[in-house]
Amino acid sequence: DAKTTQPPSMDCAEGRAANLPCNHSTISGNEYVYWYRQIHSQGPQYIIHGLKNNETNEMASLIITEDRKSSTLILPHATLRDTAVYYCIVSMDSNYQLIWGAGTKLIIKP
Amino acid sequence: EPEVTQTPSHQVTQMGQEVILRCVPISNHLYFYWYRQILGQKVEFLVSFYNNEISEKSEIFDDQFSVERPDGSNFTLKIRSTKLEDSAMYFCASGDIMNTEAFFGQGTRLTVV
Repeated sequence: DAKTTQPPSMDCAEGRAANLPCNHSTISGNEYVYWYRQIHSQGPQYIIHGLKNNETNEMASLIITEDRKSSTLILPHATLRDTAVYYCIVSMDSNYQLIWGAGTKLIIKP
Repeated sequence: EPEVTQTPSHQVTQMGQEVILRCVPISNHLYFYWYRQILGQKVEFLVSFYNNEISEKSEIFDDQFSVERPDGSNFTLKIRSTKLEDSAMYFCASGDIMNTEAFFGQGTRLTVV
């Protein structure tokens, strides 16, 4: 079973920041937090990952709490094309099998 | 930008037939995976492959499934005797080194009739 808990759905207005929460209270010290998204049954797309420190790339920011039991993915300026299912996954590394939950269906509204 | 390519995009087969799903991973990648997603359900891990052998497999990956890297560039998933419940999207993925992302192909939709 997936080791993460995410809200099943969220809405966000276009142009605003989308903040997607994830709980992973049983994460172990050598496990990373990965975020992927899936746009309408296409192949999953990597977004970002982190271990302890906050991370930022051209797509998003990842904020991990100090105790590592939860994290938040931030899409700074959401567009309609960001409508997708977002998956938070904990794994020792991406080359270990990824265990997928149900994710959060994010709908960006005009 | 390099990408993982999968063929065919859609395959329809009769129950009991063998199918081979094909994938061309990103050229310098070393780790290869197959996942599947039954319509409306979660993505499920099937198998990972490294150094020309299976490194991990799930309970789903039983004797009717096999994987092969026949020529150093392609990575195939064979289902020997398809069942109706094998109908799903099958995703291939590849990765280069540890602790980086996996790149996914666009999937093959398998329909067993």
